[in-house]
Amino acid sequence: QVTLRESGPALVKPTQTLTLTCTLSGISLSASGMCVSWIRQSPGKAPEWLARIDWVEDKYYNTSLKTRLTVSRDTSRNQVVLTMTNMDPVDTGRYYCVRDEYSFESGEWWFDPWGQGTLVTVPS
Amino acid sequence: QTVVTQEPSLTVSPGGTVTLTCGFSAGAVTSNYYPGWFQQKPGQAPRALIYSTSNKHSWTPARFSASLLGGKSALTLSGVQPEDEAEYYCLLYYAGTRVFGGGTKLTVL
Repeated sequence: QVTLRESGPALVKPTQTLTLTCTLSGISLSASGMCVSWIRQSPGKAPEWLARIDWVEDKYYNTSLKTRLTVSRDTSRNQVVLTMTNMDPVDTGRYYCVRDEYSFESGEWWFDPWGQGTLVTVPS
Repeated sequence: QTVVTQEPSLTVSPGGTVTLTCGFSAGAVTSNYYPGWFQQKPGQAPRALIYSTSNKHSWTPARFSASLLGGKSALTLSGVQPEDEAEYYCLLYYAGTRVFGGGTKLTVL
């Protein structure tokens, strides 16, 4: 069974850096086609894709947030880490990690499962 | 900036059929954008329904189907059930990144 679990601080002060960890089980970060994406969802709004790291450690970022985001991985721990600098109250929301996998066999991408998400609050 | 557009809201009667669409500012949606569809109910994480244009997950009810229609990705619900009332989001793959649509609030009334 594939599961992802996010962890990190529930409260981050303005201007601080947020660090979130996604721990994967049932899948290997090194497997061909395996990627992990980070998504956030502010209350009452649509999900927003933030970043992705793939099996060869290529990284992709939301262009609007690129200067603030860094995604990395630790294959020995099967973890993916997202950092976001200069946090602001508008960054309040639930942050999810998701398996974002490409099948070279079928030529298909799937975006599942999602972690349960971790709620991050930046007070004003 | 690339934008994915969805109908903000739709209403359908129980047992009816409704089609939600997903357009893209960069042009027609094609299979190369690997469109996916997600359902989200209050207090829950989004749940994947469709991947890579029209493929269903094992848990996706048969009444859900997806295709490309008129330059957009389309999600059709046939024989709508009350439990289908939810927010629906599409997701496109674009230049290595992902872009979510703004969502469609589907009301079953």
